[in-house]
Amino acid sequence: DIVMTQGALPNPVPSGESASITCQSSKSLLYSDGKTYLNWYLQRPGQSPQLLIYWMSTRASGVSDRFSGSGSGTDFTLKISRVEAEDVGVYYCQQFLEFPNTFGAGTKLELK
Amino acid sequence: QIQLVQSGPELKKPGESVKISCKASGYTFTDYAMHWVKQAPGKGLKWMGWINTYTGKPTYADDFKGRFVFSLEASASTANLQISNLKNEDTATYFCAINYGRYYFDYWGQGVMVTVSS
Repeated sequence: DIVMTQGALPNPVPSGESASITCQSSKSLLYSDGKTYLNWYLQRPGQSPQLLIYWMSTRASGVSDRFSGSGSGTDFTLKISRVEAEDVGVYYCQQFLEFPNTFGAGTKLELK
Repeated sequence: QIQLVQSGPELKKPGESVKISCKASGYTFTDYAMHWVKQAPGKGLKWMGWINTYTGKPTYADDFKGRFVFSLEASASTANLQISNLKNEDTATYFCAINYGRYYFDYWGQGVMVTVSS
């Protein structure tokens, strides 16, 4: 199985500052079609996960442009610009290259 | 609009069984697979497997083979998850989700909390 390893945030993050969350995969998620099968989700307290980013850098419909994804085949970053109260929660990366789909352990964002 | 509405919370004793449901609306049910994801209290997300809503064929992740059964009531656009011989470690919230966009889970149910306690 592909192992997804997420980094921690230096919490709490001051409101209005930027935050970057890292994720590393044990296998390259770059497929022969040129797409990288890495997704990002936000799970706000008491809610279901919400898709933020797919194919490493494509924002899902309705997601603020304050969220951006980048990376290589195995190292990925989710950047949140101008952090707001609604960004609080746990962020998960997920690989969709192969089954079983695996998630990172999650990175908690707290607001100062 | 696409919605996945799950059944209500469950409180069960060890050794009992539970069946939770996920009713889909807003799209053709048989066009998209239904996935199940487990989240233990305070823990992360774990993909359990999926069921092909057209053929009814389930696929289970290794940790969910044996006591877990995915099934369908296609006429009711509903997917079910049954867990038998419940153990304390089955205490968790169980989400259903679809990959409408094919390579990501873009629609999720609200989750069902299953508590296993004697």
